[in-house]
Amino acid sequence: GAGVSQSPSNKVTEKGKDVELRCDPISGHTALYWYRQRLGQGLEFLIYFQGNSAPDKSGLPSDRFSAERTGESVSTLTIQRTQQEDSAVYLCASSLAPVNEQYFGPGTRLTVT
Amino acid sequence: EDKVVQSPLSLVVHEGDTVTLNCSYEVTNFRSLLWYKQEKKAPTFLFMLTSSGIEKKSGRLSSILDKKELFSILNITATQTGDSAIYLCAVEQYGNKLVFGAGTILRVKS
Repeated sequence: GAGVSQSPSNKVTEKGKDVELRCDPISGHTALYWYRQRLGQGLEFLIYFQGNSAPDKSGLPSDRFSAERTGESVSTLTIQRTQQEDSAVYLCASSLAPVNEQYFGPGTRLTVT
Repeated sequence: EDKVVQSPLSLVVHEGDTVTLNCSYEVTNFRSLLWYKQEKKAPTFLFMLTSSGIEKKSGRLSSILDKKELFSILNITATQTGDSAIYLCAVEQYGNKLVFGAGTILRVKS
């Protein structure tokens, strides 16, 4: 079946511009996660959505980062006023909570120039 | 501070060798430990470990968890060039958050 999809696959933006990254989770997966992976570093948790509960935003690095999820489907991660240190691969994952076997999307590579 | 430490950071072996990758952790509210294989951008799931001493196997890969000493190992026997990847260890906390290690970069030479 279809896996987790993300778009765009690559995004180059100028410093100071806003960007939106999209994630389509596996159908029926109630949990959705966003991670960031900077070059040479491990995955960094950003935000977690579970059903209709309030999202866990504890990993968002600054108030320039926000995310929304429509019901149990699409999620959008928005970065406002991008900075060069935002350059990274942004990965989305979904899972059938509470079993936490996460399935990852292909990621969006964001480059801020 | 919650942390997951993997070793070695990188490893180069020849086809047919056996490798052992290490993961130690200091994480609150431990629920499970997971291993992922990352090629290109997206990690793929390998194992989930919740109980000490029970080995999980999948083909040439196996893994075991020691919750007393707070570590896990991932073994790969008879390595192949297709095993070249970054192997990520992550600890899942209650509340469904994952704390990742930095990964071990494995390169298998033919």
